[in-house]
Amino acid sequence: KAGVTQTPRYLIKTRGQQVTLSCSPISGHRSVSWYQQTPGQGLQFLFEYFSETQRNKGNFPGRFSGRQFSNSRSEMNVSTLELGDSALYLCASSLAAGYSYEQYFGPGTRLTVT
Amino acid sequence: AQKVTQAQTEISVVEKEDVTLDCVYETRDTTYYLFWYKQPPSGELVFLIRRNSFDEQNEISGRYSWNFQKSTSSFNFTITASQVVDSAVYFCALRGNTGNQFYFGTGTSLTVIP
Repeated sequence: KAGVTQTPRYLIKTRGQQVTLSCSPISGHRSVSWYQQTPGQGLQFLFEYFSETQRNKGNFPGRFSGRQFSNSRSEMNVSTLELGDSALYLCASSLAAGYSYEQYFGPGTRLTVT
Repeated sequence: AQKVTQAQTEISVVEKEDVTLDCVYETRDTTYYLFWYKQPPSGELVFLIRRNSFDEQNEISGRYSWNFQKSTSSFNFTITASQVVDSAVYFCALRGNTGNQFYFGTGTSLTVIP
């Protein structure tokens, strides 16, 4: 079974631009979560989607948004990029939304903002 | 509040030594799950174990073992006879039955020296 895939793997953007990252969950998984990982803040939860609905949202500004499609694939968008948005963005999928389900992570998208 | 603390930032051991990674958590949830993930240099988080708050039995999987003690709110991870391939950052995480977010510790970077 294929794992979680994320595209692109690496991205370089300029301050003020916007970016869209994509995540394809493991086949059969219906929940997708997004995390930001930085050396200073560690792993921080961005949001979780299940059945095309946002179920949970972390403490990030409105510049960070996401969506999930009917095939469970998800995208996250960051508008008006700031230098501090440089990070590894990880997507994780699980069978369903709920605290008992383990999440399986993708390889991440490394975003660099210059 | 939900919080996971991994006090050990970096650990170095010589190959074949045993090593224990500490994890202490805080939660007000009555039911929760605890997780350990491994992040090798490639960046992808690899799921290792999930433990229900009602199940305090220790678990052993090959060279890995986990000690869950609710009385001290700890979920420690021991690697026996460490190998170079164990070098990675290890994250402890908590997910409760309210809120549903994953809360990750800051990670422990383990280096196994040949």
